[in-house]
Amino acid sequence: DTEVTQTPKHLVMGMTNKKSLKCEQHMGHRAMYWYKQKAKKPPELMFVYSYEKLSINESVPSRFSPECPNSSLLNLHLHALQPEDSALYLCASSLQVRYEQYFGPGTRLTVT
Amino acid sequence: AQSVTQLDSHVSVSEGTPVLLRCNYSSSYSPSLFWYVQHPNKGLQLLLKYTSAATLVKGINGFEAEFKKSETSFHLTKPSAHMSDAAEYFCVVSFDRGSTLGRLYFGRGTQLTVWP
Repeated sequence: DTEVTQTPKHLVMGMTNKKSLKCEQHMGHRAMYWYKQKAKKPPELMFVYSYEKLSINESVPSRFSPECPNSSLLNLHLHALQPEDSALYLCASSLQVRYEQYFGPGTRLTVT
Repeated sequence: AQSVTQLDSHVSVSEGTPVLLRCNYSSSYSPSLFWYVQHPNKGLQLLLKYTSAATLVKGINGFEAEFKKSETSFHLTKPSAHMSDAAEYFCVVSFDRGSTLGRLYFGRGTQLTVWP
């Protein structure tokens, strides 16, 4: 089973809201990733967790806050977002950081 | 520096004809290479991967790719296109060392259109 699940599928939030995106995998992978994808563009890396520790933060604004409570779960907490943050947010996982990544279906986020 | 170039932003083919999506990479290190496909409003699906074993790699849905080190290329092919192949395809490179560990380097993507 090579499945990464993400919830919710769609999210609309105002600029003063706080919301969270959730990502889950049960493949025993120890690396998990958040990406942001704008229309007609490749995904852009935001964060990498390796063995539940944050190993890469690609200078993402602090209004995005990642959390990895355990090896199967990855959250992205959102607060005071801007309209330009509207995008498809993709989660991925891999056995370790050097292996191929498996992507979830994404959360389509709209900030109003 | 590491980079990936997909030479075509759009490719159109008729159903039943061959598909060729071109990818070149630039790297100081030995790469792992991947092709991913993304259907509209979906996540990315791994089609195939090259990780320094056989240079001709077979993937899912009849796709294959050949790693040519001398040409720094990793072109994706399929003998006969199907309507369901219409999607965005990304050529992706990763490296097994240092500060690049965990990072994927994406090409800009190639939109494949399949005509009936």
